[in-house]
Amino acid sequence: GQNIDQPTEMTATEGAIVQINCTYQTSGFNGLFWYQQHAGEAPTFLSYNVLDGLEEKGRFSSFLSRSKGYSYLLLKELQMKDSASYLCAVTTDSWGKLQFGAGTQVVVTP
Amino acid sequence: DSGVTQTPKHLITATGQRVTLRCSPRSGDLSVYWYQQSLDQGLQFLIQYYNGEERAKGNILERFSAQQFPDLHSELNLSSLELGDSALYFCASSVEEDYEQYFGPGTRLTVT
Repeated sequence: GQNIDQPTEMTATEGAIVQINCTYQTSGFNGLFWYQQHAGEAPTFLSYNVLDGLEEKGRFSSFLSRSKGYSYLLLKELQMKDSASYLCAVTTDSWGKLQFGAGTQVVVTP
Repeated sequence: DSGVTQTPKHLITATGQRVTLRCSPRSGDLSVYWYQQSLDQGLQFLIQYYNGEERAKGNILERFSAQQFPDLHSELNLSSLELGDSALYFCASSVEEDYEQYFGPGTRLTVT
């Protein structure tokens, strides 16, 4: 079957750095996406990795190792508004359907 | 605002009924995806259309169907509704397949 695992919850202090890990075991791999979702709202796109390595976008960076089936999302200089669920999602074919992990709830404290 | 619109925002209906959810993709996007999000199941892929053609199906129940029209808007039809169908239904669109998807605000369906 398909397995995408990420921690359920992480807590960090405002201004700190948090790293959210995602491991996947899927039949096929086309790309890995990270989305942010505030409660009751739509997921918003954060990053996309298809090749191994680090992609940086402002305060957010995402890393992929295809051989290890592993990715992480790094959130720097945490702000209170970063409190949200972070969803790791994998596409396994060229059609693009997303298979999501259960999400990691990040709680930022003052 | 992602540019994807969904109507209605909220829907409350009784078991056994049928509802239609509507989605308009971002301008220029050809691919439309439907997802269901419930508390116990997380975000689950239902079905995908590309330029009017069905491309991929997830664990979509036979009671559910969808289509994409020539103007690229899409509708998701849910029939013989059960309590367990209560969920947030999201539509997403992308310019091509396997590109980043942009999600609409969702339709919250409550079946009583």
